[in-house]
Amino acid sequence: KAGVTQTPRYLIKTRGQQVTLSCSPISGHRSVSWYQQTPGQGLQFLFEYFSETQRNKGNFPGRFSGRQFSNSRSEMNVSTLELGDSALYLCASSPVVMNTEAFFGQGTRLTVV
Amino acid sequence: GDSVTQMEGPVTLSEEAFLTINCTYTATGYPSLFWYVQYPGEGLQLLLKATKADDKGSNKGFEATYRKETTSFHLEKGSVQVSDSAVYFCALSEPNDYKLSFGAGTTVTVRA
Repeated sequence: KAGVTQTPRYLIKTRGQQVTLSCSPISGHRSVSWYQQTPGQGLQFLFEYFSETQRNKGNFPGRFSGRQFSNSRSEMNVSTLELGDSALYLCASSPVVMNTEAFFGQGTRLTVV
Repeated sequence: GDSVTQMEGPVTLSEEAFLTINCTYTATGYPSLFWYVQYPGEGLQLLLKATKADDKGSNKGFEATYRKETTSFHLEKGSVQVSDSAVYFCALSEPNDYKLSFGAGTTVTVRA
C-alpha cells in the first residue's frame, strides 16, 4: 500500500509570493491534516479535512488555507509568503479520526528568501 | 487547552543503555496518547499508542503506559541501539478534536 505522498519535496520561494503544497493520502483514508514544523515552534497543527469539510483549524493567519478534493487529496496554500513561513510542512492521513492512527508523509521543505 | 510536556533533550546514550523519556499531558477529556519518531530528513512514524487508562503500548522494544492518575505516558526501552538515534515526539488526540497536539520533541543520540 502506498504511503502518504507529498509534493514537491523542496521549494524555494520569494517573500510576497504564494505557494501550493499537495498531499495524497493513503488509499481509503478520508481524513487529512496538515502540520507546520519549525525549530522554534515545533509541530503545530494547521487544519484537518474529512470528506471535503474542514473540521478543525489551528491558530494560523488567514494567509494559510487548505482544501480537500472528492478523492481525498488535499492542498494547502500560503499567500503573501513571509520569511517566518520557512518550515517543513507535514501532511498526515487517517482512516477516520486522528485518535486512532495517523500516517505522515515525508513533508515539503519550504524556504522563503 | 490540550498540551504535552516532554523531557528536554538532547539525550546521549551508549549502546545497550536504558532509555526513558518523560511525557506528561494536560487534556480536558480522555485523549489517546502516542509516541512518534522522526529520523533525519523524514516525516513522523508512529512508534506506539494507547487509547485508554492503563493501556500499555509497545513496539520495537519500546513501551509506554497510559497513566491517568499522573497524566503521564513515559517512553522506555531497555537496551538501545545506534539505529534508535532519532527525535521522539509525545502526542495526544482528544475525541472529536481531529488533531494531534505534540510535545517539543526529544533528540536521542546513541553512540556505539
